[in-house]
Amino acid sequence: ILNVEQSPQSLHVQEGDSTNFTCSFPSSNFYALHWYRWETAKSPEALFVMTLNGDEKKKGQISATLNTKEGYSYLYIKGSQPEDSATYLCAFHNFNKFYFGSGTKLNVKP
Amino acid sequence: DTAVSQTPKYLVTQMGNDKSIKCEQNLGHDTMYWYKQDSKKFLKIMFSYNNKELIINETVPNRFSPKSPDKAHLNLHINSLELGDSAVYFCASSQDHRVYGYTFGSGTRLTVV
Repeated sequence: ILNVEQSPQSLHVQEGDSTNFTCSFPSSNFYALHWYRWETAKSPEALFVMTLNGDEKKKGQISATLNTKEGYSYLYIKGSQPEDSATYLCAFHNFNKFYFGSGTKLNVKP
Repeated sequence: DTAVSQTPKYLVTQMGNDKSIKCEQNLGHDTMYWYKQDSKKFLKIMFSYNNKELIINETVPNRFSPKSPDKAHLNLHINSLELGDSAVYFCASSQDHRVYGYTFGSGTRLTVV
């Protein structure tokens, strides 16, 4: 059994705050790391797919970094807005399988 | 147009019944998947089909049988439903998941009573 851990489990911030969360995964047999945004009552939507150590991706105010040697990825949100409230899932892909973390639930208060 | 659509969205049924969940994607993707969201909210893969061929079959009870009549459809049939089958089931598809990730359906909440 392979562990993909996300922290924190949940996060409450005020509108305008910047925040970040962590996804930890095994550093061996790395193939890809995905981040998904999952709003309540909707389906997960792909934010980033990262494949190379040192990758940095950005979409609007959301960015992510990847360190495959030490097995972690950070997701950053700059100036959170209420519409950023969602669960952020990471998923680790080794050469055989695909493992999801349990997500970080972000609540941005106006 | 919904890219990956699942039906039904909600399914309440009695123990022992047989039920199916349907999934269709209009993205032209070659690969389709079924995931189960467990009680701890983890998404765990159950099956994967590539162009109608089974490529991933995780350790799920034999009562679960996927059927792919063509590459745009992957249905999940469950025999002799048990209380523990209650969960949310997600269908997904991908073309090159290493580049684009997965596109998920909106989920089917199955409740076995």
